[in-house]
Amino acid sequence: AQRVTQPEKLLSVFKGAPVELKCNYSYSGSPELFWYVQYSRQRLQLLLRHISRESIKGFTADLNKGETSFHLKKPFAQEEDSAMYYCALSVEYTGANSKLTFGKGITLSVRP
Amino acid sequence: ETGVTQTPRHLVMGMTNKKSLKCEQHLGHNAMYWYKQSAKKPLELMFVYSLEERVENNSVPSRFSPECPNSSHLFLHLHTLQPEDSALYLCASSQDPGGGTRTGELFFGEGSRLTVL
Repeated sequence: AQRVTQPEKLLSVFKGAPVELKCNYSYSGSPELFWYVQYSRQRLQLLLRHISRESIKGFTADLNKGETSFHLKKPFAQEEDSAMYYCALSVEYTGANSKLTFGKGITLSVRP
Repeated sequence: ETGVTQTPRHLVMGMTNKKSLKCEQHLGHNAMYWYKQSAKKPLELMFVYSLEERVENNSVPSRFSPECPNSSHLFLHLHTLQPEDSALYLCASSQDPGGGTRTGELFFGEGSRLTVL
């Protein structure tokens, strides 16, 4: 069965510092990986997906199939980045295509 | 109302009660989901409905009974729950383009916080 591991529960950095939120997955097929974010008092929402190879709010994530990782990075953290971040995996599936397996999430705290 | 709305936002029930959680999406999506979020655990997928047909039941106990009367509404009927069922229940929707394409974009509601006494 597929699994998503986020090894850290909390990352606290100062404003302007680089950020790397770790995500590892296990799945033998062809995965698609996503990062979701939940800001305080807001609902969970999609941040970015690996297939788009996009940068959203300065965040990027590269899928490394050799290391089965999908770490989220930002070179200079901002206070407004403080939130809960979830890594998620979509597997090949014949039902509703957006069935996702989530990691436990990590809290990012950016201090002024 | 726009997006995905869930009611009630908070629910306290005894183990012998019967209650229901309601979810409504105003996005014109064709797939809806129930997820359970417990403390210290990842989000757990419970049920998936695609085009109003249940396509996934993720080994959920029968005391949880989903219902999807149409593509905009999803219910979770609760009966003889246990204290360990206390959690945040999240509803989500997505647009399934078909053909095996995976968008991965779920639109979540704010959740219903359930406490079982």
